[in-house]
Parts: sequence; structure tokens; C-alpha cells
Amino acid sequence: QKEVEQNSGPLSVPEGAIASLNCTYSDRGSQSFFWYRQYSGKSPELIMSIYSNGDKEDGRFTAQLNKASQYVSLLIRDSQPSDSATYLCAVGGNNDMRFGAGTRLTVKP
Amino acid sequence: NAGVTQTPKFQVLKTGQSMTLQCAQDMNHNSMYWYRQDPGMGLRLIYYSASEGTTDKGEVPNGYNVSRLNKREFSLRLESAAPSQTSVYFCASSDFSRTAKNIQYFGAGTRLSVL
Repeated sequence: QKEVEQNSGPLSVPEGAIASLNCTYSDRGSQSFFWYRQYSGKSPELIMSIYSNGDKEDGRFTAQLNKASQYVSLLIRDSQPSDSATYLCAVGGNNDMRFGAGTRLTVKP
Repeated sequence: NAGVTQTPKFQVLKTGQSMTLQCAQDMNHNSMYWYRQDPGMGLRLIYYSASEGTTDKGEVPNGYNVSRLNKREFSLRLESAAPSQTSVYFCASSDFSRTAKNIQYFGAGTRLSVL
């Protein structure tokens, strides 16, 4: 069984702080890793994709991947109230995809 | 561009009724997917289609059938709806077969209630 685990939260951070979201996965053959943001009642939208070990930065977002530890994380710098949403970790293999249950993030003004 | 379009947006069914959820994409993607999302459980893959004419089971296929009508359209059918199929259904597409990067783009979802 291929599993993707996330802390369900809720995670609450003050505006301007760094939010750290974590995800572990069980399938060592996984090849691609994604973070999606989902606002309440809306569809998931892609924030970050990462395919190799290390860090990938895009604006206020940094994704970190460690395949040896089967761990992927998302850092959100200078968190804004508009970042309040559920963040879904997704792990892909050969044309399939497994999602974690999501971490709900609240950024307080 | 509309991206991924799903119809209907909302549906209420009685137990035992059948219905088809429609999905169309205009991004010329080869791969299409159907997911369901239940509270606290994230997205679970029902079926996917790597290319026109092919379909494969995902994590939770029981009670569903799919048709890849052409490259643009991928439909999901509930033959005899059950209350356990009450969920939000998302269709997605990706260019995985060409790029080997499974970046998926989602439709707005169909909220289905089975009474």
C-alpha cells in the first residue's frame, strides 16, 4: 500500500512568520512530488513541484525533498492571511498519484 | 482557455439511480484522472487514462466505470449509486506521457449527494 502522510493540523501561524508543512511517503519508487493548495470549496491548485533531492524555491515558497528519508516539506515565508488553506502533498509514480489528507493552515493577522 | 471543465457542479441522487459525470480538457493532454475527495481523507484516485483508448483502475474503482471518449473527454459513471459514494469528485489532466512530469490540473469539482 502506497501511503502519503501529513499532519492534519490545524497549523496556526502569525502573519509574517514561516509556516512549515511536512509530508512522508512509503513508496521508494516515487519519482515526482507536489504541493497543492486548496481553498475551502475549491479545487486543488499546484504550488510547487520537485523531482530531485534538495531545495527548490519559488517566491515565498520553498520545497525540500529528501528521498533517502522519504520526506518532502514546504516552507512558506512571510505568511499572509491569504495563505490560509489546506495544503495537499502529492507523490507520483508511473502515471499514478497519491495524495495526503492535507494540512490545514491558518495565518492570523 | 477553459482548462478542465466538469459537469454538473452539483447533483443529488437517490440510492440505486445512475448518472454520468462529464469531464473535458482543452490543453491537449494525454492523461486524465478521476478522484474523489471525502472529509479528512484527501484525494483518492478512482480511475485514470494514460492515453485515448486506455483506462486503468486507481485506488478505489469499485462501483464506478469510465470511458475515454476521445482525447478531450473522460467520463465517470455510477451505475447504481450508493450513499457511500456521496463525495466531491474531481477530474484532472496532465501531459505526463509527453513530459514525464505528472503536473495535474483540476476541474472545479462535482458535489454529489446520494440519499
